[in-house]
Amino acid sequence: EPEVTQTPSHQVTQMGQEVILRCVPISNHLYFYWYRQILGQKVEFLVSFYNNEISEKSEIFDDQFSVERPDGSNFTLKIRSTKLEDSAMYFCASRGPGSSTDTQYFGPGTRLTVL
Amino acid sequence: LAKTTQPISMDSYEGQEVNITCSHNNIATNDYITWYQQFPSQGPRFIIQGYKTKVTNEVASLFIPADRKSSTLSLPRVSLSDTAVYYCLVGPDNYGQNFVFGPGTRLSVLP
Repeated sequence: EPEVTQTPSHQVTQMGQEVILRCVPISNHLYFYWYRQILGQKVEFLVSFYNNEISEKSEIFDDQFSVERPDGSNFTLKIRSTKLEDSAMYFCASRGPGSSTDTQYFGPGTRLTVL
Repeated sequence: LAKTTQPISMDSYEGQEVNITCSHNNIATNDYITWYQQFPSQGPRFIIQGYKTKVTNEVASLFIPADRKSSTLSLPRVSLSDTAVYYCLVGPDNYGQNFVFGPGTRLSVLP
């Protein structure tokens, strides 16, 4: 069964450093999303991406964040100048162009720890 | 986006059927109802989605009454491995639309 993959599974960084989280969506999917989940809290939407541009973004997704689909298979989330409060699980999701009952499929997540 | 309300937690025993009900009183005509399961430190996993009446797959059933103001996820004969958080999500079938997750229902299956 096709699945969304994410790398790395765990990223540790120093405050102020830049990190890039990588995702490989399901191959025929066209819509991509990033969510995050701070430990013990709800899953929060960050951004959605379609046709090489951002479709929607939340208040969390400020200038510190950017997304890119550099090569047709990877989908990345860059966090510039990380802060302690960026520590969280980051989930990538993708959705296909299929039937009206299609939905978002989530990856296993990257645990980001900012020290 | 329609607001959803579901119990914060539920306990069950192995082998029992578990029903988790979600209220979504202001559901819109073009909204679908989707349920996800999440284990600790893992991504949400799609369980089932429906629009009206009953939907069944190999994992669960979803019951939606005619007014669509609520829905019930039914898990037959739960096992310890079904211990997880279950999220009810309501939203339009719009590819750009993000999901708004609530706190979900924490299901604990006891031996």
